[in-house]
Amino acid sequence: DIVMTQSPDSLAVSLGERATINCKSSQNVFHSSHNKNYLAWYQQKAGQPPKLLISWASTRESGVPDRFSGRGSGTDFALTISTLQAEDVAVYYCQQYFTSPSTFGGGTKVEIK
Amino acid sequence: QVQLQESGPGLAKPSVTLSLTCSVSGDTLTGYHWSWIRQPAGKGLEWIGRIYPTGRTTYNPSLGSRVFMSIDTSKNHFSLNLSSVTAADTAVYYCARDLGSPLRGPGQFDYWGQGTRVTVSS
Repeated sequence: DIVMTQSPDSLAVSLGERATINCKSSQNVFHSSHNKNYLAWYQQKAGQPPKLLISWASTRESGVPDRFSGRGSGTDFALTISTLQAEDVAVYYCQQYFTSPSTFGGGTKVEIK
Repeated sequence: QVQLQESGPGLAKPSVTLSLTCSVSGDTLTGYHWSWIRQPAGKGLEWIGRIYPTGRTTYNPSLGSRVFMSIDTSKNHFSLNLSSVTAADTAVYYCARDLGSPLRGPGQFDYWGQGTRVTVSS
């Protein structure tokens, strides 16, 4: 199975500041024929199911604020929240869907400093 | 707007078969895969398996032969059976719409149910 490793486990950021979460896969998740990275990001607020934020490493889902951005390719990825808002407090997960079984990172908890 | 709702017993005894159902509204099951994902309290997410409206399934090998999924397109719902449950199966179980292709395996999950909490205890 592809192992997804996120860092840090948690981070505290001041309102309006930038938050960056890293995700590393144990194998390449870039499909050269499709020219796509099979990597998604989710946001999970307390007591709620995960919400899909970004697919294909960098494509925001409809309705997701543009302060959320994803980048990276191959095995190294990052999710950035450019200006942290109070409603962004959550746990964030990366997921690879390059191969079955699909696997998730351990999560990164984002809090307000 | 697609909505998913899980249902099932909140409590199961060790060694029994756990049965959960996911009812889908706002769209038919046709054309998509449908997955089950679980999350132990305070922990991360584990993909369990998925099913297509034809009945074709793909399961996570980590659960071995304990998993069985079925689908009823006439009732717009699909189900999960997990046999020989232990305390390690205690978790919130989610159903989700799976955007993966038939050939590649599970994809990203764009619609989720609210989850149903299952505790395995005698």
